[in-house]
Amino acid sequence: GENVEQHPSTLSVQEGDSAVIKCTYSDSASNYFPWYKQELGKRPQLIIDIRSNVGEKKDQRIAVTLNKTAKHFSLHITETQPEDSAVYFCAASRTGSQGNLIFGKGTKLSVKP
Amino acid sequence: KAGVTQTPRYLIKTRGQQVTLSCSPISGHRSVSWYQQTPGQGLQFLFEYFSETQRNKGNFPGRFSGRQFSNSRSEMNVSTLELGDSALYLCASRGSLVGETQYFGPGTRLLVL
Repeated sequence: GENVEQHPSTLSVQEGDSAVIKCTYSDSASNYFPWYKQELGKRPQLIIDIRSNVGEKKDQRIAVTLNKTAKHFSLHITETQPEDSAVYFCAASRTGSQGNLIFGKGTKLSVKP
Repeated sequence: KAGVTQTPRYLIKTRGQQVTLSCSPISGHRSVSWYQQTPGQGLQFLFEYFSETQRNKGNFPGRFSGRQFSNSRSEMNVSTLELGDSALYLCASRGSLVGETQYFGPGTRLLVL
């Protein structure tokens, strides 16, 4: 079955710096890759997603890139702010199984003011 | 639209007991997925229901079961509780179209003593 590896497990940056979180997946049939942000005590919330027919997607300060050949995808956050501090999860799923997300173990991002 | 709701929010049980958790999806959503979140294992997929049928199942023992009703509300049941079942149980709903986002509920925090 699918396995998703996520690195790093913790990341600390200064406010205004960029943050990059990387994930690799094992199932070449996976074609949907969402990223969720979970603040302490709250539910995971989708921040951006990408499908396998797209190599990059941006939404303001957040971008995701996908390399299908290498089976990895990355989250890029520019101009980080203290409110970006949270745990970020990557996930993967395949068509017909998008209710079955396989998650990475998460990255705890700390943005220092 | 109202978001995904889960009841109860907190639950304390003892080993050997059973528990039933409830999830009400976003209006119009027919897919409900359940996940277990623990500090050690992260977010793990339990099962997905669509139109009252289990569509996918994760790698959990048979003590974990679920069902979905005609109004798309879903319940999950854990029988013969073990200490290791202590976790945050999250449900998520999504619409019927391919590629629709999965939205999470606030979770039920289960503590097994």
